[in-house]
Amino acid sequence: KQEVTQIPAALSVPEGENLVLNCSFTDSAIYNLQWFRQDPGKGLTSLLLIQSSQREQTSGRLNASLDKSSGRSTLYIAASQPGDSATYLCAVYNQGGKLIFGQGTELSVKP
Amino acid sequence: ETGVTQTPRHLVMGMTNKKSLKCEQHLGHNAMYWYKQSAKKPLELMFVYNFKEQTENNSVPSRFSPECPNSSHLFLHLHTLQPEDSALYLCASSQASGGYNEQFFGPGTRLTVL
Repeated sequence: KQEVTQIPAALSVPEGENLVLNCSFTDSAIYNLQWFRQDPGKGLTSLLLIQSSQREQTSGRLNASLDKSSGRSTLYIAASQPGDSATYLCAVYNQGGKLIFGQGTELSVKP
Repeated sequence: ETGVTQTPRHLVMGMTNKKSLKCEQHLGHNAMYWYKQSAKKPLELMFVYNFKEQTENNSVPSRFSPECPNSSHLFLHLHTLQPEDSALYLCASSQASGGYNEQFFGPGTRLTVL
């Protein structure tokens, strides 16, 4: 059974810091991996989707990497801003299209 | 905007009420999903529909009854719910239900059961 774990569960940093969020999964037979952002009480905003054949994706200050063999992904956020404060969710697409989510990392960026 | 809309955005209901959640996608997709997000728990898949046919029921209690009249609309009918059913209910859609198909999420319905 696929399990997705995100570390740390919560993170507080001062504005301007570069930071890394970690995601690990137990079954390497995945199709895609996706990072989402969720603001309190809101739905999911897709940040980056990495296909299984890719090693990384970049969008603005965000860079996500994928190492299928080791079951790991990282989301790198450069020059963090208070507006980046949210919960970040990692999810993997299993065979059959099931999307398995981690519990998220709650990020707080202090001005 | 992802092209997936959900109504209502907030719903408060008593345990004896019957209500429905609605999801509509404007992306031309053929697969639609219901997810549940309870406090401090990962999102859980509830149901999957592919070309209007239910292909997944993740052991969801019968007090939740999904309906997919066409590929663009998905409903979740609720009756005799329990307070522990209070959660954020998210709808998603994708081109089809295979593992290569990215899912696009709606804004969710925040449900409170009194």
